[in-house]
Amino acid sequence: DIVLTQSPGTLSLSPGERATLSCRASQSVNSNSLAWYQQKPGQAPRLLIYDASSRATDIPDRFSGSGSGTDFTLTISRLEPEDFAVYYCQQYGTSPRTFGQGTKVEIK
Amino acid sequence: QVQLVQSGAEVKKPGASVKVSCKASGYSFTSYYMYWVRQAPGQGLEWMGIISPSDAITNRPQKFQGRISMTRDTSTSTVYMELSSLTSEDTAVYFCARGLLYNNNWSPFDYWGQGTLVAVSS
Repeated sequence: DIVLTQSPGTLSLSPGERATLSCRASQSVNSNSLAWYQQKPGQAPRLLIYDASSRATDIPDRFSGSGSGTDFTLTISRLEPEDFAVYYCQQYGTSPRTFGQGTKVEIK
Repeated sequence: QVQLVQSGAEVKKPGASVKVSCKASGYSFTSYYMYWVRQAPGQGLEWMGIISPSDAITNRPQKFQGRISMTRDTSTSTVYMELSSLTSEDTAVYFCARGLLYNNNWSPFDYWGQGTLVAVSS
């Protein structure tokens, strides 16, 4: 199984700041089939980024994804109040599909 | 608009089974793969399996082999997930989710159900 390790576990930032989240895979992700999701308490996850760098429908352009192979990054250029949440990466190019353990972005 | 509506919360005793439904609307049901994901309280996301609504072919991780059954009813655009031999470790919110890409089983998940809480307690 491909293990995804996200860092940091928690990111404490202020609105307007830049957030950089990391996702490292234990082996190369097939075809860069890497997605990022945002989850708020009591809600289902929301797809932000797929294929490592493609934004999903209606996702603001302050969210961007980059990386390839085993190292991937989600960047939020300027944090809005609604961006404070937990973020998960997922690889969907190999079975079993696997998720990272999550990064919580909290208000400093 | 695409909607996935799941069945309500369940409380089960250890050793029992639970069956969760997920009714899809707003798109061609047989054209997109469906997935099941669960989330234990305060924990991360865990992929449980995939079903093709067109031919009912399924796949699941080794962890759930022999314990999970996924089915679909094309007449009602509904997929089902049944998990047997429940233990307290199966207490979680269970989500169904749709694959983003048309007729492609290697796909991220773009639409999600609202989640179904399954609590296992004696």
